[in-house]
Amino acid sequence: EAQVTQNPRYLITVTGKKLTVTCSQNMNHEYMSWYRQDPGLGLRQIYYSMNVEVTDKGDVPEGYKVSRKEKRNFPLILESPSPNQTSLYFCASSLNFAREETQYFGPGTRLLVL
Amino acid sequence: DAKTTQPNSMESNEEEPVHLPCNHSTISGTDYIHWYRQLPSQGPEYVIHGLTSNVNNRMASLAIAEDRKSSTLILHRATLRDAAVYYCILRDMEYGNKLVFGAGTILRVKS
Repeated sequence: EAQVTQNPRYLITVTGKKLTVTCSQNMNHEYMSWYRQDPGLGLRQIYYSMNVEVTDKGDVPEGYKVSRKEKRNFPLILESPSPNQTSLYFCASSLNFAREETQYFGPGTRLLVL
Repeated sequence: DAKTTQPNSMESNEEEPVHLPCNHSTISGTDYIHWYRQLPSQGPEYVIHGLTSNVNNRMASLAIAEDRKSSTLILHRATLRDAAVYYCILRDMEYGNKLVFGAGTILRVKS
């Protein structure tokens, strides 16, 4: 089954404790991205990657890092999480970044930073 | 940047058709119109997209006005499972690498 998976689905952590949220897709997609969703602010893009070793900032990259060493994986790293990073995170992928391409979203990771 | 305007919420009866409107008066000739929906506690899911002509797929139909300044997502027979937030999104040259989500329309389906 074609899918985007994220782990963990739920995470409670404390300020400053490094964490990684994994994202994996099995569709051989070139393009992957991370979004966060907050009440009243909608979904906003954090980082994106157009292919292996090619990443770039989205609208809200501060406090996050990403890497794309393999085509299927695109982990989101929070080096020193803060309470304002409490949010619902979604990973997405698409065949490429063309405007007509569909994006497939993962199930989401709900993060609480205390 | 291209923007869309949607009603905050709509309500429908089960088994009846639903027409979800979207205005995009600043659309340019190369902007694609995409619709996604987000069911409760799930990630967004693709519904349909089009450029100029009306489009149909197994989930819905997309009717695009001749001047392309508006479009309508049509669910032919709403079910309880269609209750979700529906987002109308323009994908343009500048924002081709991301989806710019607005507030969307909350669709409630009554049994």
